[in-house]
Amino acid sequence: DTEVTQTPKHLVMGMTNKKSLKCEQHMGHRAMYWYKQKAKKPPELMFVYSYEKLSINESVPSRFSPECPNSSLLNLHLHALQPEDSALYLCASSQDGGGQGADTQYFGPGTRLTVL
Amino acid sequence: DQQVKQNSPSLSVQEGRISILNCDYTNSMFDYFLWYKKYPAEGPTFLISISSIKDKNEDGRFTVFLNKSAKHLSLHIVPSQPGDSAVYFCAAMWAAGNKLTFGGGTRVLVKP
Repeated sequence: DTEVTQTPKHLVMGMTNKKSLKCEQHMGHRAMYWYKQKAKKPPELMFVYSYEKLSINESVPSRFSPECPNSSLLNLHLHALQPEDSALYLCASSQDGGGQGADTQYFGPGTRLTVL
Repeated sequence: DQQVKQNSPSLSVQEGRISILNCDYTNSMFDYFLWYKKYPAEGPTFLISISSIKDKNEDGRFTVFLNKSAKHLSLHIVPSQPGDSAVYFCAAMWAAGNKLTFGGGTRVLVKP
């Protein structure tokens, strides 16, 4: 089983709203990732959690706030977003984030976010 | 600075024929390479990977070839099927890290 689930599937929010994206995996993976994908572009890495600790922040604006409550869950809290933040937000997980060798990342279906 | 490049934005192939997708990289630190397939509004689906210690890896209809000296890899799909129509992303990483770098993608259309 290589399933990563994400909720909600679609989200529309205003620039003053606060919302959260959720990601879950039950593969026993210890690394989890948030990516952002704009239309006709490749996914761009935002954050990496390894063993529930934030290990990479790709200079993402503070209006995006990640949280890893436990090894199976990853949240992305959104506040005061801009219309240009509209995109497909992808979650991924991998065995242990590369510490023990090369690591395949498995992606969820994504959340389509529209900021009005 | 694009470290992973897919120079063909699109590819059209007849059903049953071979699809060949190409990918070039510049960072010699990369030692693990992956191909993902993506349908619109869905997450990328892992297809096949190859470590830099190998030059070929095969899984069913999918074969990935790696030429380290040329910093080039390719994905062969044989035979191509209409369900293979999607965007294919090449990605690279180094085994000690956990950051995937993606190419720009190649849109494949398999005609019946």
